[in-house]
Amino acid sequence: GNSVTQMEGPVTLSEEAFLTINCTYTATGYPSLFWYVQYPGEGLQLLLKATKADDKGSNKGFEATYRKETTSFHLEKGSVQVSDSAVYFCALSDRETSGSRLTFGEGTQLTVNP
Amino acid sequence: AAGVIQSPRHLIKEKRETATLKCYPIPRHDTVYWYQQGPGQDPQFLISFYEKMQSDKGSIPDRFSAQQFSDYHSELNMSSLELGDSALYFCASSSAGTSGSTEQFFGPGTRLTVL
Repeated sequence: GNSVTQMEGPVTLSEEAFLTINCTYTATGYPSLFWYVQYPGEGLQLLLKATKADDKGSNKGFEATYRKETTSFHLEKGSVQVSDSAVYFCALSDRETSGSRLTFGEGTQLTVNP
Repeated sequence: AAGVIQSPRHLIKEKRETATLKCYPIPRHDTVYWYQQGPGQDPQFLISFYEKMQSDKGSIPDRFSAQQFSDYHSELNMSSLELGDSALYFCASSSAGTSGSTEQFFGPGTRLTVL
C-alpha cells in the first residue's frame, strides 16, 4: 500500500536558520505529493504541491521538489521565522490505487525561537 | 473567501452515546472527505463522497456512518462511542471529483471528547 515517512521531530531552530524536513514515500502508482501545515488549534492548510517528477512546489518561501528516483519530497526554507512554528505534514494521493484520499506522514513539529 | 464549515467545533459525549458531526463544503465543491486525527497522530482517511455517492472508504469503524445530502453538506454519525474515538475530526472538500491531484480544503475540525 501507499505510505509516507517523515523525519522524526520535534525540530527546534533559531530565527533565520535553514530548514529541511525530510519526506519519503512508497506508492504503487504515480502519486501527487503535498505539504500541509497545521497551526495550533487550526485545521490543515495546503502549503505546496507537486504532481509529477521534477516539479518544484513553492509557497511563502518554502520549496519541495518531487524526486521520483529517490521517492522523496523534502521541504526546505532558507530562513525560518517565529511565525513558521507549526506541525508540517507530508502527504500523497495516488489516483490509480487509492483514489483521491490523502495518506499523511507522521507530522513534524517545528518550533522557531526568536 | 468561503471555507469549509464544520459544526460543532467541540463535542463532549459519554461512552456508548451517539454523535453527529456536520460539514458544509465550499460552494460548488462536489467532493467531501472525512479524516480522523488522534492525539499527536497524523490524519487518517475515513470516507469520501462524490456527488452524494460514497466514492471511497478507509478505516472507518462499522459503528460510524456518513452521507452527503442534496445540498452537498455531509454528516458523520458515530454510535456506541468509545474512549478511543476521542479525536479531531476533519472534513475537507474539493471540486474535481476523483482527481488525485486536486487540492483538498480542510475545515477547522470538530474535537470530540468521549468520557
